Amino acid sequence: LAKTTQPISMDSYEGQEVNITCSHNNIATNDYITWYQQFPSQGPRFIIQGYKTKVTNEVASLFIPADRKSSTLSLPRVSLSDTAVYYCLVTGMNNAGNMLTFGGGTRLMVKP
Amino acid sequence: KAGVTQTPRYLIKTRGQQVTLSCSPISGHRSVSWYQQTPGQGLQFLFEYFSETQRNKGNFPGRFSGRQFSNSRSEMNVSTLELGDSALYLCASSLRLKGAQNTEAFFGQGTRLTVV
Repeated sequence: LAKTTQPISMDSYEGQEVNITCSHNNIATNDYITWYQQFPSQGPRFIIQGYKTKVTNEVASLFIPADRKSSTLSLPRVSLSDTAVYYCLVTGMNNAGNMLTFGGGTRLMVKP
Repeated sequence: KAGVTQTPRYLIKTRGQQVTLSCSPISGHRSVSWYQQTPGQGLQFLFEYFSETQRNKGNFPGRFSGRQFSNSRSEMNVSTLELGDSALYLCASSLRLKGAQNTEAFFGQGTRLTVV
């Protein structure tokens, strides 16, 4: 599966929109892009998943350009409780919800 | 519906001992995956069980083993514990629908193992 690269850390302030970009240059045709959020001493939590263009749910939006070599997770109006590590993963037919490969993630710090 | 339950939450063991961790998946989920999380190595896949069979295995020594029961509950065992085995052990369950790329994993709270 394609390796992902994302910033190690980001800082933001409450109320701001946060965009975390992930690159996955070798993504395969059938692969999806999936984002998880993890708070300290808890298991990761699924945030959003997409294949192309834009996906939005009650928590975030995911933007995927036409070439699918990168994606951007957008968190609108973050709060202190959004401070967490965010992981970008590429998932395929054989590992959609299992055998996940996590990179280093992006540590988001939201300040008051 | 109940989430993924891992027991115990915390555990302290001595080098050389063995330990068994338990995971109860979400009802209806037949795939259970185990992960090890350490500050140095991050989140690493250990193995996956589906229908009582190990389907995939990560790059860990044979001291790490697991099994799955007919009710999909899973246990993970680590024998001859080493200091480096201190970690947060996470279990995740999923539907693992054949050919479906868009299922998600549901993680438990983890078991914090400390080896002294």
